[in-house]
Amino acid sequence: AQSVTQLGSHVSVSEGALVLLRCNYSSSVPPYLFWYVQYPNQGLQLLLKYTSAATLVKGINGFEAEFKKSETSFHLTKPSAHMSDAAEYFCAVSEGAVTGNQFYFGTGTSLTVIP
Amino acid sequence: DTAVSQTPKYLVTQMGNDKSIKCEQNLGHDTMYWYKQDSKKFLKIMFSYNNKELIINETVPNRFSPKSPDKAHLNLHINSLELGDSAVYFCASSQRGEAFFGQGTRLTVV
Repeated sequence: AQSVTQLGSHVSVSEGALVLLRCNYSSSVPPYLFWYVQYPNQGLQLLLKYTSAATLVKGINGFEAEFKKSETSFHLTKPSAHMSDAAEYFCAVSEGAVTGNQFYFGTGTSLTVIP
Repeated sequence: DTAVSQTPKYLVTQMGNDKSIKCEQNLGHDTMYWYKQDSKKFLKIMFSYNNKELIINETVPNRFSPKSPDKAHLNLHINSLELGDSAVYFCASSQRGEAFFGQGTRLTVV
């Protein structure tokens, strides 16, 4: 079975500061891992994904995440926060490219950027 | 072109009514889903279809009935709406392990 834990339901950073959003996963098979962003009243937009290739994954808007199997983690980082980064962020895990696989989501982290 | 589109975006209705939400994807994906996002933003899968066949049916009241007329469409029909059904419902499609989501339908039951 797969599950995701996101530590910190709310994170506040100053504009220009490092963004670090934490995600730990549990999976009985090699996982695919994802970060999605949700802006207010919007759908889910894929930021980046890990699909068993490079462990350091770069995504859109300057975000990146590193897959660490030994720590079962997939933390999301951005060197310098921008006001437009304020949103809800979701980590998700799936069973890989399995037909009809489920995507299991964490409970989300709300990022606030302070000017 | 919108990859996964849902209609309507907003739906306000009275308790006891029956309503449908439509979803279409133009990505050629085989698998489609319905997720429910509650007021605390938690996303929970409701149903999954692969090539028009139901493959995941989570613990959802049987007032919710998905229908997939073809692999590009997955509609959600809800009977006898209750206050607790108020949420945002997301349709998604996937292939090769990546999911694409629609913009969501915000359902408010009054």
